Amino acid sequence: AQTVTQSQPEMSVQEAETVTLSCTYDTSENNYYLFWYKQPPSRQMILVIRQEAYKQQNATENRFSVNFQKAAKSFSLKISDSQLGDTAMYFCAFMNPGGSQGNLIFGKGTKLSVKP
Amino acid sequence: DAGVTQSPTHLIKTRGQHVTLRCSPISGHKSVSWYQQVLGQGPQFIFQYYEKEERGRGNFPDRFSARQFPNYSSELNVNALLLGDSALYLCASSLEVGVKNIQYFGAGTRLSVL
Repeated sequence: AQTVTQSQPEMSVQEAETVTLSCTYDTSENNYYLFWYKQPPSRQMILVIRQEAYKQQNATENRFSVNFQKAAKSFSLKISDSQLGDTAMYFCAFMNPGGSQGNLIFGKGTKLSVKP
Repeated sequence: DAGVTQSPTHLIKTRGQHVTLRCSPISGHKSVSWYQQVLGQGPQFIFQYYEKEERGRGNFPDRFSARQFPNYSSELNVNALLLGDSALYLCASSLEVGVKNIQYFGAGTRLSVL
């Protein structure tokens, strides 16, 4: 069974600085998708970025980028120029490609606090 | 366009009761998935529906059931509520099923079982 591990329960960063959130996963699949979701206090999960496993190039979305190391099964999220609005829970997720299903498997999350 | 909407936002029930949670997907989305998020944990997959048929089920007891209607909205039903069912229940919709389809989440229903 696939598992997702986030080893940092909480992190903090000063406004305008850079922070990296860690995620490792375990799977025997070769083709899959990885995601980072953000959950602010409003509770709604918001997609931050996604990575296709067969693509070598790391995904980027404005201030957000990933470091995808397929052999090491590592998928970290880098947030540059941190803003107060980045304060939230961040969840790493794996998309189960088995059959016709598309359910997400989430880690336990990292609580990020951006300090002024 | 409206996002995924869930109702109610909050709900308080007592042990042994039954509850129904509702979800309306983004217009044009044919698949709905349900997740349970216990406090301090990541969401756990409960069900996925596509075109009114169950396409996936997580490791939850038979007290949990769901259905999808012709307009693609969905209900999650939980019978014989236990204290441990207290959680945030999230609904997500996607255009289709499968790895390539992004899931968009609603704000959830907070269920408290007393």
